[in-house]
Amino acid sequence: EIVMTQSPATLSVSPGERVTLSCRASESVSSNLAWYQQKPGQAPRLLIYVASTRATGIPARFSGSGSGTEFTLTISSLQSEDFAVYYCQQCKSWPLTFGGGTKVEIK
Amino acid sequence: EVQLLESGGGLVQPGGSLRLSCAASGFTFSNYDMSWVRRAPGKGLEWVSNVNTGGDTTYYTDSVKGRFTISRDNSKNTLYLQMNGLRAEDTAVYYCARTPYYYDNTGYYYYFDYWAQGTLVTVSS
Repeated sequence: EIVMTQSPATLSVSPGERVTLSCRASESVSSNLAWYQQKPGQAPRLLIYVASTRATGIPARFSGSGSGTEFTLTISSLQSEDFAVYYCQQCKSWPLTFGGGTKVEIK
Repeated sequence: EVQLLESGGGLVQPGGSLRLSCAASGFTFSNYDMSWVRRAPGKGLEWVSNVNTGGDTTYYTDSVKGRFTISRDNSKNTLYLQMNGLRAEDTAVYYCARTPYYYDNTGYYYYFDYWAQGTLVTVSS
């Protein structure tokens, strides 16, 4: 099983700031990684797949990068609606696995 | 518009059974793999099971193998999860999710592009 580790667990940020979230895989997944956003009481929403491809309707302030075992999700200027929990997921092998999540909260 | 509507969650005693359903609309259901993903209270997301387009290939996370069965009825555009032998640790919000894939010369790669709102399963006496 590929173990996904996200850091930090919580990030306190002010609106307008640039945010960088990290995700590490226990073995190489090449570029086979997705990112999701989940707000309280809502379903997760796909943000990024194939490490850096934005999903339909996702604003350009969200960008993904990385390959192999190290990945980053960047929010260029945090908006009020971006406070949420973010998860990475490896797409490479069964079982599909998620990181533990990073909660982005208001500072 | 893609829509996924779940039903079947609720309170069940340990050892009991429950069947979740997920009705799909707004896309050609038979063209997509489908999955169940859950989120236990205070925990993160956990993939549970996947079924291919034809319903003849399935995958499960180890903790539910032998207890849960995923299936689909393409004529009814509906995904199912039969859960038997339920345990307290199965308590979670369960989401069905459309599961597209892409591929290259080394394999197939799966992600979740549309999710239902979730249905709560509580296993408690």
